[in-house]
Amino acid sequence: DTGVSQDPRHKITKRGQNVTFRCDPISEHNRLYWYRQTLGQGPEFLTYFQNEAQLEKSRLLSDRFSAERPKGSFSTLEIQRTEQGDSAMYLCASSFQKAGVGGNEQFFGPGTRLTVL
Amino acid sequence: EDQVTQSPEALRLQEGESSSLNCSYTVSGLRGLFWYRQDPGKGPEFLFTLYSAGEEKEKERLKATLTKKESFLHITAPKPEDSATYLCAVQARSSASKIIFGSGTRLSIRP
Repeated sequence: DTGVSQDPRHKITKRGQNVTFRCDPISEHNRLYWYRQTLGQGPEFLTYFQNEAQLEKSRLLSDRFSAERPKGSFSTLEIQRTEQGDSAMYLCASSFQKAGVGGNEQFFGPGTRLTVL
Repeated sequence: EDQVTQSPEALRLQEGESSSLNCSYTVSGLRGLFWYRQDPGKGPEFLFTLYSAGEEKEKERLKATLTKKESFLHITAPKPEDSATYLCAVQARSSASKIIFGSGTRLSIRP
């Protein structure tokens, strides 16, 4: 399977603990995105990388959240001092940046479901 | 502010009963409009990209159309396996990356 993969698929943690998620994008894709999705809502943009550079961060991304893409391949999203409000599905997507003005289709992974007790 | 509104929130159809899902959007210059399908507990699956008013795309029983203010996802003679949440999203011309999603329409097809 050459799609986007995420690990772990499920994570249960206690409030105040740190958690880290991993995303492996489609190999030829140069852009990687993180989204958060809560029940009954569409995904909300958190941040994105072009190769290893983090180029945009949403205001949703508080100081407790940090994302890295150290070699322009896989990415990690860390949440420090988790709160119950962080419970959500965390989705990773990747795309290949095209020249010109066309939209770039983003392909999503299966997500990591986080539950903070 | 860029915004996407989908209606209805939920739709229940009998197998074979055709219908349409609506996506209304406001965006400061449209770069692209996307439709995704999402099954419970899974990530969104890409279906279509539309770029300009009048454009249409088809895939099996699904057809997406685009006007300057809205997009429709037409489903013809649906089957139970078409049951899912359908998400609409837009990318503004000013954005190199971010796409803004609607809340989706939960479609249920009864056999």
